[in-house]
Amino acid sequence: EAGVAQSPRYKIIEKRQSVAFWCNPISGHATLYWYQQILGQGPKLLIQFQNNGVVDDSQLPKDRFSAERLKGVDSTLKIQPAKLEDSAVYLCASSLVWGQLNTEAFFGQGTRLTVV
Amino acid sequence: KQEVTQIPAALSVPEGENLVLNCSFTDSAIYNLQWFRQDPGKGLTSLLLIQSSQREQTSGRLNASLDKSSGRSTLYIAASQPGDSATYLCAVRNNYGQNFVFGPGTRLSVLP
Repeated sequence: EAGVAQSPRYKIIEKRQSVAFWCNPISGHATLYWYQQILGQGPKLLIQFQNNGVVDDSQLPKDRFSAERLKGVDSTLKIQPAKLEDSAVYLCASSLVWGQLNTEAFFGQGTRLTVV
Repeated sequence: KQEVTQIPAALSVPEGENLVLNCSFTDSAIYNLQWFRQDPGKGLTSLLLIQSSQREQTSGRLNASLDKSSGRSTLYIAASQPGDSATYLCAVRNNYGQNFVFGPGTRLSVLP
């Protein structure tokens, strides 16, 4: 079974530039998450989708971050314009629909963003 | 608001030792709890998932326990090996929400 795919693996940009990350979840997983992990901390949820609908985006800095999952499968996360404090690893995860018996979450390898 | 803490923040042990990692959460109304491993520069690998109705789960040398009423989970690693060196994260999913709240992790070093 293929895992969660993310690209790119690494990205270096200058502040005020824009950047986009892509995620393809495990086939059949309706729930998709984007997390931000700053060095030395645990991941923090940015946004959660169920199919193509947003379940929780309360911690997403909406003035600069946006995310979409148009067809309910893969997803993109965009930052525009980037700030120095956005330097982090961006993790995508997927799971079966909440409420089903096994809602184990599976994570991709992450995208390491460095803003200079 | 759910908060998750992990103790210790870092741990260094000689190879072969049995060890325990601790995870505490403030809201006992959880749906499940999941332990992850993270190697430097990598994503998260799922180790064990414990549903709220379960007391423990085992996989190989790993055993995770859950005490919902006291807001605690422990991850027991038997006969530690250098390859176990990584950061271990616990994450809880609440009954009323669907996303995971993570602890800060425990950084484990197993010395040969």
